[in-house]
Amino acid sequence: QKEVEQNSGPLSVPEGAIASLNCTYSDRGSQSFFWYRQYSGKSPELIMSIYSNGDKEDGRFTAQLNKASQYVSLLIRDSQPSDSATYLCAVNTGNQFYFGTGTSLTVIP
Amino acid sequence: DAGVTQSPTHLIKTRGQHVTLRCSPISGHKSVSWYQQVLGQGPQFIFQYYEKEERGRGNFPDRFSARQFPNYSSELNVNALLLGDSALYLCASSWRGFSSYNSPLHFGNGTRLTVT
Repeated sequence: QKEVEQNSGPLSVPEGAIASLNCTYSDRGSQSFFWYRQYSGKSPELIMSIYSNGDKEDGRFTAQLNKASQYVSLLIRDSQPSDSATYLCAVNTGNQFYFGTGTSLTVIP
Repeated sequence: DAGVTQSPTHLIKTRGQHVTLRCSPISGHKSVSWYQQVLGQGPQFIFQYYEKEERGRGNFPDRFSARQFPNYSSELNVNALLLGDSALYLCASSWRGFSSYNSPLHFGNGTRLTVT
């Protein structure tokens, strides 16, 4: 079982729609969770961090965490073509950061 | 403030050679970690250094080594290069070590290593 699992996609949404990205993790003791955006050929860029159960909103982005279900999600509202990228879920277990394989998102104009 | 800087940006090496990659963290950050990312995969953890001490090592062979200097910059060394070492090597800095839950990673632009 992988430490962090994501649907690899690709996920396509029309411009202006909500994109929903999901991630599950295996280490129940994990305490911090992150979403990174990675454009093709570029390095990952931090877009959200979440540490406690519930929702955290930042602009068009909302991260959701459910520790009981070991589930993290990212919602992107009013999706724009510039949001087209691979989104990486990352989990800090206290000893190591684990990354999922990423979900490729395409926003269609 | 400058972000994480890595050098070189691209490198082409031959099998059996060795390579040294360099990283300077964000000012004030004391932790540097290294990752290997191959196409279509997420970054894989190689090493973490915090306060100049190795604090973690991923599942990589002994051909991989690293160190952190007094100014918190870091080097990753890979010996006896194999074709399979071709990848994007990412350095990330954070203000604290991994045991601090609220210390996200900030990545440099990476070094693209090609082994022929």
